[in-house]
Amino acid sequence: KQEVTQIPAALSVPEGENLVLNCSFTDSAIYNLQWFRQDPGKGLTSLLLIQSSQREQTSGRLNASLDKSSGRSTLYIAASQPGDSATYLCAVGPSNDYKLSFGAGTTVTVRA
Amino acid sequence: DTAVSQTPKYLVTQMGNDKSIKCEQNLGHDTMYWYKQDSKKFLKIMFSYNNKELIINETVPNRFSPKSPDKAHLNLHINSLELGDSAVYFCASSQDLVQETQYFGPGTRLLVL
Repeated sequence: KQEVTQIPAALSVPEGENLVLNCSFTDSAIYNLQWFRQDPGKGLTSLLLIQSSQREQTSGRLNASLDKSSGRSTLYIAASQPGDSATYLCAVGPSNDYKLSFGAGTTVTVRA
Repeated sequence: DTAVSQTPKYLVTQMGNDKSIKCEQNLGHDTMYWYKQDSKKFLKIMFSYNNKELIINETVPNRFSPKSPDKAHLNLHINSLELGDSAVYFCASSQDLVQETQYFGPGTRLLVL
C-alpha cells in the first residue's frame, strides 16, 4: 500500500525566502506525482504534474523534482510572497491501480 | 466558468437522515471522483467513475452510494448519516484515469449533529 509523507507539517518564513517542501513515498512504481495547493475552506488547485519518466517540472516560481528510485519529490517556491500562504499537498498516482495517494500536506505561512 | 461544481457547499443535518451531494463538471472529462477529507486533512479516495462505469470502490460503508447519470455528473447519496460522516467531501474530474491532472470542486462541508 502506497504511503505518502510530507515534511515538515508546517512552515513559516519571511517574505522573499525560498520555500522547500518535501514529499516521500514508499512504492516507486508510480505513473505520476502531482503537487496541489489548498487554500483554507477551498478546494485543491493543481500546481504541477510530473510524469514518472520526468525528473522535474517548472511553472513560474515553482519547480518540482522527482526521484523515483529514492521515492522523493521536492517542491521549490522561489522568492515567496504572502499570497503563497496555503497548504501544499503531494499526491502519487500508482501504476497498478487508479488511486491517487495523498500526503497530509505542508501548511505554509509567508510573513510580510 | 466553473470547471467542477458541487452543491450544496454546506450541509448541516441530524444523525439518521439521508442526504445527497451533487457534482457536475463542464470540462468534457471521462473520469470523476469522490474524496473525503477528514479533520486531520487527509484526503482519501472513495469512488471513481470512468465513462459512467464504477472503477474504484474503496472500503466505505454501503450507506454511501454514488450515481453517475452521465459523464458530466457524479452524485453521492448518503443514507442513515452518522456523526463520523462529518467531513469535507470533494468531487474531482480528470481526462482519464490517473495519468492526467485532477481538477477539484470547492468541496461540500458536511456536519452531522
